[in-house]
Amino acid sequence: DSGVTQTPKHLITATGQRVTLRCSPRSGDLSVYWYQQSLDQGLQFLIQYYNGEERAKGNILERFSAQQFPDLHSELNLSSLELGDSALYFCASSQTGSVEKLFFGSGTQLSVL
Amino acid sequence: AQSVTQLDSQVPVFEEAPVELRCNYSSSVSVYLFWYVQYPNQGLQLLLKYLSGSTLVKGINGFEAEFNKSQTSFHLRKPSVHISDTAEYFCAVSLMDTGRRALTFGSGTRLQVQP
Repeated sequence: DSGVTQTPKHLITATGQRVTLRCSPRSGDLSVYWYQQSLDQGLQFLIQYYNGEERAKGNILERFSAQQFPDLHSELNLSSLELGDSALYFCASSQTGSVEKLFFGSGTQLSVL
Repeated sequence: AQSVTQLDSQVPVFEEAPVELRCNYSSSVSVYLFWYVQYPNQGLQLLLKYLSGSTLVKGINGFEAEFNKSQTSFHLRKPSVHISDTAEYFCAVSLMDTGRRALTFGSGTRLQVQP
C-alpha cells in the first residue's frame, strides 16, 4: 500500500457527462501529480500541484481541470467526456514536489460508453 | 524535449533465467532515470532510480540497472527471474533542469515469466 488513496476505483459514464476523480496524498506529502494511462497514449503526465498551487502542466486537455484543496487532497474534473477519455487515471504524491520519491495510487478506471 | 523508448513491448522468459529490459532516452540536457513496475490492477511502484554517482544502480526485488551516458541507455536486468516478476515495467526520465517536476514514461515492457 503506497498510502495514496484514489476514489472511486471504477467509474462508468456516458459521453458528454462530467466526472470528478479524487486523490488523497500520503500523510505529509505536499505535492500531487495526475497521470493518464491509456492503451494508445501510454502514461501521460497531466498536471502537478504543490501545496495548493499549480506547479507544472503536461498534456492536459482544456476539458479537464484539477485543483488541490487546503487539506491537500486533489480532484481531477473531466467534462464533456468522449470515448477516447476512457483510461486509467493515476494520482501520485511526493513530499517535496520532486519526482525523486513519487508514490502512486492504484488508479481510477474510467469507462466512457 | 525528452523522450523514452522501450524497445520491447513484450519479453517472455522462463523462470530462473536472466532478463534484460531495454530503455533508451533522448535529451539535450542531463536527466534523472527511473524504472517503475506495475503489477496487475495496481499502481506503479519504484524499482530503482539513477540521480548521480555510480552508474550501476541496485533496486528492489533483485533488479539492477546501468546508466550508459554515451549510449543514452538505462537497461534493467535481473540475473534470475521468478513467476512473481510477471508485470509491466516502465522506464521514465526527468529533466534535471526542470526542478524534477514531471516524469516522461516509456511505453512499457510486459515481462511474462513462464514456469
